[in-house]
Amino acid sequence: SQQGEEDPQALSIQEGENATMNCSYKTSINNLQWYRQNSGRGLVHLILIRSNEREKHSGRLRVTLDTSKKSSSLLITASRAADTASYFCATDLEAAGNKLTFGGGTRVLVKP
Amino acid sequence: NAGVMQNPRHLVRRRGQEARLRCSPMKGHSHVYWYRQLPEEGLKFMVYLQKENIIDESGMPKERFSAEFPKEGPSILRIQQVVRGDSAAYFCASSPPNGANEKLFFGSGTQLSVL
Repeated sequence: SQQGEEDPQALSIQEGENATMNCSYKTSINNLQWYRQNSGRGLVHLILIRSNEREKHSGRLRVTLDTSKKSSSLLITASRAADTASYFCATDLEAAGNKLTFGGGTRVLVKP
Repeated sequence: NAGVMQNPRHLVRRRGQEARLRCSPMKGHSHVYWYRQLPEEGLKFMVYLQKENIIDESGMPKERFSAEFPKEGPSILRIQQVVRGDSAAYFCASSPPNGANEKLFFGSGTQLSVL
């Protein structure tokens, strides 16, 4: 089964609303990261949260991590049309060695 | 400081031809990763390299695919005798010497289309 499953797969909201997406994983992690991808482009790193951290903020982004539930959430507050993109979680799994494992992503559409 | 540079941006090959994808990491970065992405899907790990060494190739198909990161020059992902199923976006990422599995910097990708 796949690590780093995002939920929902797609999200459509109005500008100004908050967007929340979740990521679940199955085995122990060193860290969990969120990336953003605009259509046809490479991924851009947003935020990294370590296994001993519970919450981090960066601008309008808030990330939480619950290692007991093996899940993380990304909240984008006061969304803008420019936030329209796909968002991926990536896990640095303790057992996976030297690579990040990406989920399938959440496609977010922010309507102006 | 230029970002991760990938070329070509688009590559069209006929079945049976070879595809060579190039990646120049960010200046000062010594770790290179290659990922493959199918439409509407996440990235699948292929290979992790440091200069002149393949560290982890657990995601590479056993046949037709190879990667290198020579002492001088870009990292190359080579696909021999391409088939239609190889059509995908191939992304390269790099990280600094002490940053393996930390923040990755991605290139814009090479879209490979096999006719």
